[in-house]
Order: sequence, then structure tokens, then C-alpha cells
Amino acid sequence: EAEVAQSPRYKITEKSQAVAFWCDPISGHATLYWYRQILGQGPELLVQFQDESVVDDSQLPKDRFSAERLKGVDSTLKIQPAELGDSAMYLCASSLVGDNEQFFGPGTRLTVL
Amino acid sequence: RKEVEQDPGPFNVPEGATVAFNCTYSNSASQSFFWYRQDCRKEPKLLMSVYSSGNEDGRFTAQLNRASQYISLLIRDSKLSDSATYLCVVNMRNSGYALNFGKGTSLLVTP
Repeated sequence: EAEVAQSPRYKITEKSQAVAFWCDPISGHATLYWYRQILGQGPELLVQFQDESVVDDSQLPKDRFSAERLKGVDSTLKIQPAELGDSAMYLCASSLVGDNEQFFGPGTRLTVL
Repeated sequence: RKEVEQDPGPFNVPEGATVAFNCTYSNSASQSFFWYRQDCRKEPKLLMSVYSSGNEDGRFTAQLNRASQYISLLIRDSKLSDSATYLCVVNMRNSGYALNFGKGTSLLVTP
């Protein structure tokens, strides 16, 4: 069964350092989402791509976060500099265009010390 | 005010019990509704979509009341393996939009 791949699965960093997360969606899924899930909360959207274009990044803290999907396939989410409050699970999801169901990757658990 | 509100629980129930989760959403323009299940330290997975007519999948029944902006999930004959967090999810459109998640309701089924 096709899956969304994410790496790394775990990342520990010190505040003010830069971190990057990678996501490879299910083949053929044009829509890609990055969510952040703080412990005890539901996931919240950071950015949504349709192919290589950003559809919604209104909740992305652009002073420190950036996301790209240059060829419309895999995507990278970067944080620079990381802050203590960025400790969370970063989830990537993908879906077919026009399809309701989103498939989530296993997530990257970030701890900022 | 958060768009999707859920009772966080935890709900502790014995095996075989029936348990119900409730959820309310604030945006009347919402069009698609779901329940996701999330196991500890895992990613969310779609449990079922929710339709106005109500729908059932085995031991799970979901209901939607658009007038009251209320969604429910009923689990009958609870199993130990049902222990998880159940996330109420709302979408502004029928497709292609990001999901709005509630905080989740934690369920623990005990022997």
C-alpha cells in the first residue's frame, strides 16, 4: 500500500539552530499539506501546496518557517531559528486533486532544547 | 474560539461498553465532516466520513446535525484495541481544503 514518507522521524535540536523536514507524498497526489501538532492538541495546518504552488500559507510563521515543493513532488519544511515553542509533531499529508481523503505520513517529532 | 470543539476526556470504559463522543463546529459553511483515529505517537488515520443521513461502519456510527452544528460518534461493544484519541474533523469544502481538527477525545478501554 502506498504511503507518505517523512524523514527524519525524530529530531532534537537546540534553540536558534536550523532544522529541516522532508516529505514524499503518495505518487500522483498533487495536493500536499504540512500540519503541526502540539501535544494534547489536534493538528493545525501550516501550509498547503497544489503541485508546486502554495495554496494556503496563512498560518505559517514566515519569519522563521519556510516550505517548498520545487518540482511538485516531494517537499521540505524548514525552521530557522528554532524556538522552544516549536517542539511538536510535524505531519505531512497528501491527497488526490478533488479528493476528500488525506493520507498522513508518520510525522517528524521535533524537540527543541 | 476554536472552530471545532470536543470534550477531551479521557473516557475510561470497560470492554463491551457503548461510548459516545460529541463535537460541535462553529462555521456553518463547513461542508465535509470526518472522524479520525490517532494512536499514541502515531499519525491520524481516517476512521469514517460523516453524512447528514448518518452512517454506520460495523460497531461505529456517526451522525451529523447541520442545524445544530453537531457531530457524534458512537462506538458499540468497545474493544481494547479501540483505545486511542478520536479527532473530530471539519472541512470547509467538499474537497481540496485543509482539515480543521478538534483537540481530540481520549478513549481508554479497560479489561
